[in-house]
Amino acid sequence: EDQVTQSPEALRLQEGESSSLNCSYTVSGLRGLFWYRQDPGKGPEFLFTLYSAGEEKEKERLKATLTKKESFLHITAPKPEDSATYLCAALSGNTPLVFGKGTRLSVIA
Amino acid sequence: DAGVTQSPTHLIKTRGQHVTLRCSPISGHKSVSWYQQVLGQGPQFIFQYYEKEERGRGNFPDRFSARQFPNYSSELNVNALLLGDSALYLCASSPRAYQETQYFGPGTRLLVL
Repeated sequence: EDQVTQSPEALRLQEGESSSLNCSYTVSGLRGLFWYRQDPGKGPEFLFTLYSAGEEKEKERLKATLTKKESFLHITAPKPEDSATYLCAALSGNTPLVFGKGTRLSVIA
Repeated sequence: DAGVTQSPTHLIKTRGQHVTLRCSPISGHKSVSWYQQVLGQGPQFIFQYYEKEERGRGNFPDRFSARQFPNYSSELNVNALLLGDSALYLCASSPRAYQETQYFGPGTRLLVL
C-alpha cells in the first residue's frame, strides 16, 4: 500500500532560522511528488512538483529536493508569513494522490 | 484567472440529512477530484472524474456519490450524514486525468450535528 510519512509533525522556528521538512514515501513507481502549503481553514496551495530523483525546485525561501525514498522542503531564513501546514503527496501508477499528515510550521518573530 | 471555486463555504447539517457540495474547475481543466480532510490529517481521496466519467473512487461508503457536468463542474453528494462526516471537503482540478499537478479550491467546511 502506498504510504507518505512527514516529519516532524510540528516545527517551531525563530525568524531567520533555516530548517528542513522531511517527506518519506513508499510507492510503487513514483510518477510525481507534490508539495502544498495550507493555511488554517483553507485549501492547499500548490508549491512544487518533482518527478525524478536528483530534481530540485526553488521558490523564494523554499527549495524542494527529491531522492529515491524521500523529499525535503528546505526553508531558508523563514519569516512569520511562512507559518502554515506543509503537505507532501505522492502519485504512482494509476492511483490517486496519497497525502502525508503534514508538518505544522510556526515561525516566531 | 479564476481558480477552483467551491460552494457553499460553510454548511451545518444534522445527522441523517443529505448534502450537496459544488465545484467549478479552473477554465480549461477537464478533471475534478474530491477529497475529505479531517482536522490534523492530510486530504483523503474520494472521487476523480474526467470527461464526465468516474476514473477513481477512494475507500468511502456508498453514501458518497458524485457527478460531473458537461461544463466540467462537479457535485459531491453525501446521504444519511453521520457525525464523522464533519470535515473540510476539497475539490481539485487538473487539465487531464489525475496523473499531474492538481489545484485545490478553498473547500467547504461541513459540520454535522
